[in-house]
Amino acid sequence: RKEVEQDPGPFNVPEGATVAFNCTYSNSASQSFFWYRQDCRKEPKLLMSVYSSGNEDGRFTAQLNRASQYISLLIRDSKLSDSATYLCVVNGVGQFYFGTGTSLTVIP
Amino acid sequence: GAVVSQHPSRVICKSGTSVKIECRSLDFQATTMFWYRQFPKQSLMLMATSNEGSKATYEQGVEKDKFLINHASLTLSTLTVTSAHPEDSSFYICSARDEGPDYEQYFGPGTRLTVT
Repeated sequence: RKEVEQDPGPFNVPEGATVAFNCTYSNSASQSFFWYRQDCRKEPKLLMSVYSSGNEDGRFTAQLNRASQYISLLIRDSKLSDSATYLCVVNGVGQFYFGTGTSLTVIP
Repeated sequence: GAVVSQHPSRVICKSGTSVKIECRSLDFQATTMFWYRQFPKQSLMLMATSNEGSKATYEQGVEKDKFLINHASLTLSTLTVTSAHPEDSSFYICSARDEGPDYEQYFGPGTRLTVT
């Protein structure tokens, strides 16, 4: 079983839509959780850390469910510029594990 | 956020030559850096974990004699691809781990290696 599993998509949504991504992880001892955004042929950039209490940054909301071992990312009011691949990253015992990424395309 | 630089950004080399890629954390110290490889339309694949002052830890299937890693200071790690072959052509990305409570990691801009 993979350490981190993510639906690769692609998700094609109209501008203004709300879209949600989920990601599951296998190691219950995992300590830190993140969402990264990667544009085509570029390096991943940290979008937000995911805290147990959930956190929000503008149109983006991240949540962690330790009992079910998943994290989620919600994007509201999608913009064309949100088109990218979103990577779920889990840090467990000093090593980072990446999901395969979820491709999002926001359509005008 | 923290800044990680990588050099060179692009390199084209002939088969059989060696290429060195540098990864620097510019505004923080990183005892741990990571080297990844990403083939087109695929996810990042961890190659090795680089620890300052000690030997790197390689992932299964990654040849340590082919991909030499040196982490000589708290701000610099290097990856040398020795005797490069066309199948080594890829996007190589380094990252440095923040030693703060969340252990966020910050990525360099990547190096696109093409071996002809």
